Amino acid sequence: DTGVSQNPRHKITKRGQNVTFRCDPISEHNRLYWYRQTLGQGPEFLTYFQNEAQLEKSRLLSDRFSAERPKGSFSTLEIQRTEQGDSAMYLCASSSSGGLSYEQYFGPGTRLTVT
Amino acid sequence: GNSVTQMEGPVTLSEEAFLTINCTYTATGYPSLFWYVQYPGEGLQLLLKATKADDKGSNKGFEATYRKETTSFHLEKGSVQVSDSAVYFCALKGRDDKIIFGKGTRLHILP
Repeated sequence: DTGVSQNPRHKITKRGQNVTFRCDPISEHNRLYWYRQTLGQGPEFLTYFQNEAQLEKSRLLSDRFSAERPKGSFSTLEIQRTEQGDSAMYLCASSSSGGLSYEQYFGPGTRLTVT
Repeated sequence: GNSVTQMEGPVTLSEEAFLTINCTYTATGYPSLFWYVQYPGEGLQLLLKATKADDKGSNKGFEATYRKETTSFHLEKGSVQVSDSAVYFCALKGRDDKIIFGKGTRLHILP
């Protein structure tokens, strides 16, 4: 299966700890997106990359959040000093290009629980 | 800004019943419209899409028509199955390439 993969699938951490998630997009997809989905809500856009360049960040992405895509392939999302409000499903998606007709393919997500 | 409003769930139907899940949107320009489905324990999957007015997206017996005049993209299926039980998200994508999702509608199909 060459779909989008995310690791870990589940993460439980204590408040105040740092966590890092990884996303591996479909190979040769140059766009990579991060979304966050809280319980009972639809996913919300966080940020996206074109190759290694981070092109946009949502206002939802506080200073405690940082995302990288150093070689234009996999991406990491780090949350520093986690808070209980960070508990959510973090989704990654990739697409071959931008534009209205290009589909974003989603990974299975990383579920974060902050205790 | 862009937004999507879809009917709240849960929606509970008997097998073989007709399904409609309403979705309306607000957007500048001409967005692409999507329905995504999330089965229990699985990731988001694209169910169908439409990229311009009057287009009809269809897949697995589900259909939705891009209605610009009513800014709607309602999801329909003529005869639902137990295996259709899932959460359904209506979504749009504008030229900024960000997908805006509705809150989702949980569908339960009873045998």
